[in-house]
Amino acid sequence: GAVVSQHPSRVICKSGTSVKIECRSLDFQATTMFWYRQFPKQSLMLMATSNEGSKATYEQGVEKDKFLINHASLTLSTLTVTSAHPEDSSFYICSARDGRDGRNTIYFGEGSWLTVV
Amino acid sequence: GQNIDQPTEMTATEGAIVQINCTYQTSGFNGLFWYQQHAGEAPTFLSYNVLDGLEEKGRFSSFLSRSKGYSYLLLKELQMKDSASYLCAVRDPGGGADGLTFGKGTHLIIQP
Repeated sequence: GAVVSQHPSRVICKSGTSVKIECRSLDFQATTMFWYRQFPKQSLMLMATSNEGSKATYEQGVEKDKFLINHASLTLSTLTVTSAHPEDSSFYICSARDGRDGRNTIYFGEGSWLTVV
Repeated sequence: GQNIDQPTEMTATEGAIVQINCTYQTSGFNGLFWYQQHAGEAPTFLSYNVLDGLEEKGRFSSFLSRSKGYSYLLLKELQMKDSASYLCAVRDPGGGADGLTFGKGTHLIIQP
């Protein structure tokens, strides 16, 4: 299957600072990537859709000024959590759609654990 | 609305077979995915069904009945490493922007 890489896998930041998470599609181009958040023992929650060359589309209830998304190239999307607070601590996962197999299968990155102290 | 149901937790024995069921009610349907997610890790793709019937891939098989809104994931010759959560996800044009509606996952526990 396709490879989606996410970095960093774990990050600890101080309250009030910003942290950036990168998502890369390594062997295919992805015009669209997706960002999710997952709390322990809960389902994936779609936060936003990252569109290459245009503004991201945010799901209802997700603050776009707090979760900045940039999709500067066909293989890279970044999520920046601004002015982080302890309640932002969570598992953040990106995904990308691979259209090469005709199924548009969604492949996930490895995920990033964010801890805000 | 969109609704996907799967059991919260199941327990099975190493070497045995387990079937994880998933039922869905969605406004549209364009394929069903199964993902495996180990604790603290991101989901990995297991299988895809868009037509009725059984898809087999090694120890894992997935079945779909569109008329019944039903799918199952069958795991054979269970190994301890199969202990994980298994997510059923339906591609629905009326679902999220990623086109997928996820179930809450079935936590599978493999016992020796």
